[in-house]
This record gives sequence, C-alpha cells and structure tokens, in this order.
Amino acid sequence: DSGVTQTPKHLITATGQRVTLRCSPRSGDLSVYWYQQSLDQGLQFLIQYYNGEERAKGNILERFSAQQFPDLHSELNLSSLELGDSALYFCASSLSGLARYNEQFFGPGTRLTVL
Amino acid sequence: AQKVTQAQTEISVVEKEDVTLDCVYETRDTTYYLFWYKQPPSGELVFLIRRNSFDEQNEISGRYSWNFQKSTSSFNFTITASQVVDSAVYFCALSGVRGSAWQLTFGSGTQLTVLP
Repeated sequence: DSGVTQTPKHLITATGQRVTLRCSPRSGDLSVYWYQQSLDQGLQFLIQYYNGEERAKGNILERFSAQQFPDLHSELNLSSLELGDSALYFCASSLSGLARYNEQFFGPGTRLTVL
Repeated sequence: AQKVTQAQTEISVVEKEDVTLDCVYETRDTTYYLFWYKQPPSGELVFLIRRNSFDEQNEISGRYSWNFQKSTSSFNFTITASQVVDSAVYFCALSGVRGSAWQLTFGSGTQLTVLP
C-alpha cells in the first residue's frame, strides 16, 4: 500500500458527461501528479500540483482540468467525455517534486469507461 | 525531450527461464533517474527500482537484476528463474527536470507472460 488513495475505483459513464476523480496523497506529501494510461497512448503525464498551485503540465486536454485543495487532496475533472477518454487514471504524490528529486508514489488508479 | 523505448512489446517464457527486458532512453539532462515498475493484471503500479544517472553499478535484488549502461543509454532488467507470478506489464521510466518540476516519462511497456 503506497498510502495514496483514489476514488472511485471504477467509473462507467456516457459520452458527453462530466466526471470527477479524487486523489488523496500520502500524509506529508505536497505534490500530486495525474497520469492517464490508455491503450493507444500508453502511460502519460497529465499535470502536477504542488501545495495548491499548478506546477507542470503534460499532455492534458483542454476538456480536462485539475485542482489541489488546501487539505492537499486533488481532483481531476473530465468533461465532454469521449469514447477515447476511457483509460486508467493514476494519481501519484511526492514530498516536494521541486529542485530536489522526491520519489513518486502511485495510487491504485481509477478505471474510467465511457460508453 | 525525454524518450524511453521498450522495443519488446510482448515476451513469453516458460517458468524457470531467465528473461531480460530491454530499455533504451534519450535525454539531454546530466542528472536524471531511471525506474522500473511492474503492473500486474490487477492494474496497480508497483515500484521496483530507481537509479540515478551518476550510479552505474549494477544491482541485484533476489531474482531481479538491473544493468545500467550510460554509454549505450540502456537500463535493462533481468528476471532469473522466472515464475508465473512474474507475469505482468513492466514499464521503464525516466525522470528529468522540466522547468521547475521533475517529470516522469514512461516507455510503452513490455507484457511478460510466464507459462507454467
């Protein structure tokens, strides 16, 4: 158990809908990262937050957004869902993620199915 | 730009055989980290090892061993005496600084199937 929790574990929804995925980092970790694992794109970095502020952006679509709250949990919002958004979404956390490297610990993932 | 290549998409071996998973990376950074993760059928990502760019010593952990060669930009992973429980997708990953943040770039993964 990495100490990173993600809810829900599974999510099934329809095209055009909006969903929110939630992540609670390990205790004491200030950085949260979101990754998407899909069949065609593999495992891709989406976005990173550090202590409530966006720190880095990867291949995140404009239909997707994220935020990190004062209690450090993070939410990934996916809107106008398309079939191709079906994927496993991972959250990871690290102590800092800034100048000095810190290990990323991965949550169990949320499997999103768009029908 | 960072890139990680795992040319082997799928590998099948029979139990007790040794198997090597290849990983080749590209980066312009002088300081970087390399990783291997295991993803069993249950889906979670299991951390196996991390090496930094200044430490080229090979490492052995039980049946697992890693060969890091900067000269060929490779970080290969060998499982000795494979077992059915080793069946999983294995990812090689590279972490380097982008702007003010460390970013992790994954290879496409190698599906290892160990047959009884």
